[in-house]
Amino acid sequence: DGGITQSPKYLFRKEGQNVTLSCEQNLNHDAMYWYRQDPGQGLRLIYYSQIVNDFQKGDIAEGYSVSREKKESFPLTVTSAQKNPTAFYLCASRKAGGRGDQETQYFGPGTRLLVL
Amino acid sequence: AQSVTQPDIHITVSEGASLELRCNYSYGATPYLFWYVQSPGQGLQLLLKYFSGDTLVQGIKGFEAEFKRSQSSFNLRKPSVHWSDAAEYFCAVGGTYKYIFGTGTRLKVLA
Repeated sequence: DGGITQSPKYLFRKEGQNVTLSCEQNLNHDAMYWYRQDPGQGLRLIYYSQIVNDFQKGDIAEGYSVSREKKESFPLTVTSAQKNPTAFYLCASRKAGGRGDQETQYFGPGTRLLVL
Repeated sequence: AQSVTQPDIHITVSEGASLELRCNYSYGATPYLFWYVQSPGQGLQLLLKYFSGDTLVQGIKGFEAEFKRSQSSFNLRKPSVHWSDAAEYFCAVGGTYKYIFGTGTRLKVLA
């Protein structure tokens, strides 16, 4: 089955610790995205990547970092600089190409990050 | 500025009743429009999408939405709601690279 997997489902962070959220897709999609979801605020874009070895900041990139070394993988690191990391994190991917149907983003199941 | 507004934070309907969730957008060009549904603790599932052509689009689970350019709206409808439709619904507007999401409407269904 093709899809997007995120792990872990729950992640706990201690004060001053960096943690990494995994996102893998086997849809052969070109673009990948990370969103943060907080109650009542919808989804906010953290980072996105159109191709391997390239990524751009979204609206709330401070305190986060990403890498895109493989087409299938787009891990997100929540650094100690992110002072309020408790949220639900969603990864998405999209087949690039500019034609209508290829603009559809598909989402993974999410990772909930909690601070100890 | 580009934006998406879902004016109803919460909606409660009785099972079997009809449903309409509102979505208004502000976007420079003709947008791509989407509705997603999210169950608690889950990711977002695509319900339907509009790119061009017929302004009434059909989606999964019996949902439909109508694009009205003159009103900058893309409202989601279902003629008869089922208890399993209780979830949060997000409208999104997309361009080439990025989406803008509304803040969501939480649907409660009364038995």
